[in-house]
Amino acid sequence: GDSVTQTEGQVALSEEDFLTIHCNYSASGYPALFWYVQYPGEGPQFLFRASRDKEKGSSRGFEATYNKETTSFHLQKASVQESDSAVYYCALGDRANTGKLTFGHGTILRVHP
Amino acid sequence: GPKVLQIPSHQIIDMGQMVTLNCDPVSNHLYFYWYKQILGQQMEFLVNFYNGKVMEKSKLFKDQFSVERPDGSYFTLKIQPTALEDSAVYFCASSSDWGGYAEQFFGPGTRLTVL
Repeated sequence: GDSVTQTEGQVALSEEDFLTIHCNYSASGYPALFWYVQYPGEGPQFLFRASRDKEKGSSRGFEATYNKETTSFHLQKASVQESDSAVYYCALGDRANTGKLTFGHGTILRVHP
Repeated sequence: GPKVLQIPSHQIIDMGQMVTLNCDPVSNHLYFYWYKQILGQQMEFLVNFYNGKVMEKSKLFKDQFSVERPDGSYFTLKIQPTALEDSAVYFCASSSDWGGYAEQFFGPGTRLTVL
């Protein structure tokens, strides 16, 4: 079945550091790829999506590029802020199905002032 | 932005009892979902629901689980009877679009503890 792997379980950075969270996927079809962010006490929030090879998704300074060859969708941000501290989830949605999302384990990002 | 509400935020129940988790989706959304997250594990899809019907369910959606949305009110997940392995956080989500590209809006979750 489909799966999503996030390499980093936790990332600790200082403000203005560069962020990369690695996401790789395995899917039989041609999925849509998502990043969701979850703040304490809340549910996951949609950050952005990409639906085809080489498409870049972006929002609030975060970005990721769909790479079909390497089956990756790595999240990056040039300069993180303390307010970016949250859990980040990579997810895939199968084109053929009824909206089911397959999530990675999540990456806890802590940004220190 | 649009909000999904979940009631209660935390429920403690004895094994074998029935529990109903309530979800108030975004008002104009038509597609509804439940996901389950056991502590320390990834969030996993349980079921989705549209027009009064289950469209897809995973192997985690056991026979003891049921979902409904009577008369456009809460979207509910009922577990009867509960088992110890049902202890988890349950997230409800809704969307206005259909399919694997849809942006889903999630509630804050209900933490279910089965003793």
